[in-house]
Amino acid sequence: DGGITQSPKYLFRKEGQNVTLSCEQNLNHDAMYWYRQDPGQGLRLIYYSQIVNDFQKGDIAEGYSVSREKKESFPLTVTSAQKNPTAFYLCASSMGRSRSNQPQHFGDGTRLSIL
Amino acid sequence: DQQVKQNSPSLSVQEGRISILNCDYTNSMFDYFLWYKKYPAEGPTFLISISSIKDKNEDGRFTVFLNKSAKHLSLHIVPSQPGDSAVYFCAASPISNFGNEKLTFGTGTRLTIIP
Repeated sequence: DGGITQSPKYLFRKEGQNVTLSCEQNLNHDAMYWYRQDPGQGLRLIYYSQIVNDFQKGDIAEGYSVSREKKESFPLTVTSAQKNPTAFYLCASSMGRSRSNQPQHFGDGTRLSIL
Repeated sequence: DQQVKQNSPSLSVQEGRISILNCDYTNSMFDYFLWYKKYPAEGPTFLISISSIKDKNEDGRFTVFLNKSAKHLSLHIVPSQPGDSAVYFCAASPISNFGNEKLTFGTGTRLTIIP
């Protein structure tokens, strides 16, 4: 059945290391998104992509990078420049600009912790 | 600057009664509003949405009301069931040439249904 798969569910990183979080969707959605959730806060947008080979910065893009080489995949790299990377990371997708007023659907998240 | 506010961090309701969750927004450009439900260690699940041309949208036990003049929306759940216990996020997006791709989330309200 269709959905969004994030892996791994838990990830540990040493100081100074880059780490890549995977997000795959088989919903045939054009748009994909990365959010970060911190305790007691709402979701904040890191990056989004409306179409393959194109992506835009969200509200908190510093220290992160993304790529969108395939429609199904939108990996997020947390670089060593991200000063506070410990958080719950959520990937989402939606139909995108082809259909307005469509909800975003989320994966089950990856919890990243710094060792 | 919190553009979407959920001022009640938590709410407890007796099983079978009505649960009312509230959300206020400040950005008059928002025109599409959504409610998501989230269990611990899982991604948010889309519940119901409403566009600014309506003031009410209903889906089973869930109804969302929008008061544009007050910049306020609410989610009514009736009757409340134990499985409704979760954190509920309100989200909003402005209309743009690219559809509704940029969601702004509130900080969430933890709903507990008391058996």
